Amino acid sequence: KAGVTQTPRYLIKTRGQQVTLSCSPISGHRSVSWYQQTPGQGLQFLFEYFSETQRNKGNFPGRFSGRQFSNSRSEMNVSTLELGDSALYLCASSGGTSGGPSGTQYFGPGTRLTVL
Amino acid sequence: QKEVEQNSGPLSVPEGAIASLNCTYSDRGSQSFFWYRQYSGKSPELIMFIYSNGDKEDGRFTAQLNKASQYVSLLIRDSQPSDSATYLCAVNSPTQAGTALIFGKGTTLSVSS
Repeated sequence: KAGVTQTPRYLIKTRGQQVTLSCSPISGHRSVSWYQQTPGQGLQFLFEYFSETQRNKGNFPGRFSGRQFSNSRSEMNVSTLELGDSALYLCASSGGTSGGPSGTQYFGPGTRLTVL
Repeated sequence: QKEVEQNSGPLSVPEGAIASLNCTYSDRGSQSFFWYRQYSGKSPELIMFIYSNGDKEDGRFTAQLNKASQYVSLLIRDSQPSDSATYLCAVNSPTQAGTALIFGKGTTLSVSS
């Protein structure tokens, strides 16, 4: 079974621009969560989508938004980029039949965003 | 503020030794606990999950959970240089809907040959 895929893998943007990242979950998984990882703050939860609805949201400004499509693929958007948005953005899917707790999350390879 | 705490390390062990990684969490309602391994430049990879008090073994890895002490640990037996990575402890957030996880900042393990 294919894993979680994320595109693009690398992005370089300048301050003030906006960016859209994409995530395709493991087949059969309906939940997609997004995380931001930085050396100083570690992995921080952005939001989770389930059946096209945002089910949970972390403590990030409104510049960070997301959506989920009927095929469970998800996108996240960051508007008005700031230097501090440089990070590894990780997508994780859950809700399969792996036998683990329902919240077991499997991560994609991530998108490395650099804001200049 | 719900937190997951880990010693940042680095934890250095010789090849063949037992590596012990520890994690404490603040939310008594948490019910699911996960260990992820992250190699430099890569994404986190699930190693184990545990949700009952006691030990759970999988190959060279043993997860231990003590809910009364709000403590989770990961033991790696017969450590190998390939085990050198950052280990992330994650805990579910029961007060929020969905499957959001709270992560510790990770412990860096270095296994020397």
